[in-house]
Amino acid sequence: AQTVTQSQPEMSVQEAETVTLSCTYDTSESNYYLFWYKQPPSRQMILVIRQEAYKQQNATENRFSVNFQKAAKSFSLKISDSQLGDTAMYFCAFMKHSLNYQLIWGAGTKLIIKP
Amino acid sequence: EAQVTQNPRYLITVTGKKLTVTCSQNMNHEYMSWYRQDPGLGLRQIYYSMNVEVTDKGDVPEGYKVSRKEKRNFPLILESPSPNQTSLYFCASSLELGTDTQYFGPGTRLTVL
Repeated sequence: AQTVTQSQPEMSVQEAETVTLSCTYDTSESNYYLFWYKQPPSRQMILVIRQEAYKQQNATENRFSVNFQKAAKSFSLKISDSQLGDTAMYFCAFMKHSLNYQLIWGAGTKLIIKP
Repeated sequence: EAQVTQNPRYLITVTGKKLTVTCSQNMNHEYMSWYRQDPGLGLRQIYYSMNVEVTDKGDVPEGYKVSRKEKRNFPLILESPSPNQTSLYFCASSLELGTDTQYFGPGTRLTVL
C-alpha cells in the first residue's frame, strides 16, 4: 500500500527566509505523480506544485520548488523569500497512474511565517 | 471564473437527519471526487466519479451515497448522519482521465450532534 509521511508537524520561520518541508513516500509503482497542496486558514485546498515521476527535472513555480529524489522516495518543498501569506498547512500527496486517480495524503505540516 | 463550489459551507445537524452537500464545477471536468479531512489523518477519499452515471467507492464510503446525473454536479448524501461523520468535506474535479491535477472546492464543515 502507498503511504505518504510528513515528519514535521509544525515549522516556523521569519519572513523572507527560505524554508524546506519534507515528504517521503512508499510505493512500488514506477509511474506516478507527486503534489504539494496548501491549505490556508480559509481551508480551501490549493495546488502549489506537482511533479511527474518520469521527469528528472525538479518542478518550480515562482518561489516554490521541489527536490525530487526518486530512488530515496523523497519529495521536499522549498519556499524561497517566504511571505506572511505562505502561512498555511502544507500537504504532500501521491497519485499513482491507476484507474481512480486516488490521492494519498500526508498528515500535513503547519507552516507559520513570522513578521 | 473556473471553480468548484460547495454548499453549504457550514452545517450543524442532528443524528439521523438526512442531508445533502452539493458540489458543482464549471470546467466541464469528467472526474469528480469527495474527500473528508480529519485531524492527523490527512484527506481520505469517500467516493469518486469518472463520468455521468459512473461512480465508485473510495477508501471510506460507509454511511455516504453519491450520484452523478449531470456532468457538473456531484452531490454527497448522508442518509442517516452520525457523530463520527463530523468532519471537513472537500469536493474535487479534474479534466479527464489521465489528467493529474485535481481542483478543490472551498470545503464544507459538517457537525453532527
